[in-house]
Amino acid sequence: AQKVTQAQTEISVVEKEDVTLDCVYETRDTTYYLFWYKQPPSGELVFLIRRNSFDEQNEISGRYSWNFQKSTSSFNFTITASQVVDSAVYFCALSEGNTGFQKLVFGTGTRLLVSP
Amino acid sequence: GAVVSQHPSRVICKSGTSVKIECRSLDFQATTMFWYRQFPKQSLMLMATSNEGSKATYEQGVEKDKFLINHASLTLSTLTVTSAHPEDSSFYICSAWVVTGGRNEQYFGPGTRLTVT
Repeated sequence: AQKVTQAQTEISVVEKEDVTLDCVYETRDTTYYLFWYKQPPSGELVFLIRRNSFDEQNEISGRYSWNFQKSTSSFNFTITASQVVDSAVYFCALSEGNTGFQKLVFGTGTRLLVSP
Repeated sequence: GAVVSQHPSRVICKSGTSVKIECRSLDFQATTMFWYRQFPKQSLMLMATSNEGSKATYEQGVEKDKFLINHASLTLSTLTVTSAHPEDSSFYICSAWVVTGGRNEQYFGPGTRLTVT
């Protein structure tokens, strides 16, 4: 069965600090996709990244970076020089199958609070 | 701009009444639509998978007679919460998945906050 674990319930940082959000997943499939979404207070999910199981290259997008380690079944997300606007709940999610966007299994989310 | 819309964005209803939530894909025809539910400060849980013209597939523990899903066209899926009770108060989010024309993307709607009094 699929499972996504985000052990950090809430993280508080001060602006400009770096912060890493952890995500550990379980799946029996060899083909799967991993995602990160941001959910600001408005509730709307903001897509951040999709990564397939065959691509272990780390990715950087501006202040965001992702570290995919199949050996430890982890897909961690780092925000560099955090800003107040980064305050939100961040969800890691998993989708099995080779089409990439079947139903998603979400982790429990990590609430990030960035204070000025 | 938004590619998936939901209507209404917020709804308050009395216990025992039914509420219909619409999910529309705005500029594409969705292969599949999904309905998720999110209780306050909790994660999103998949309720059902909906394909146009066929019956929805419900996740274990979701009452299909209570949460009626109609997927009448490739751009519209509706979720009706029948005989709503306060415990049905939640944030309902739909997503639309398109796998045609070289696209393979899933887009989430903005969500509908349901409060049952």
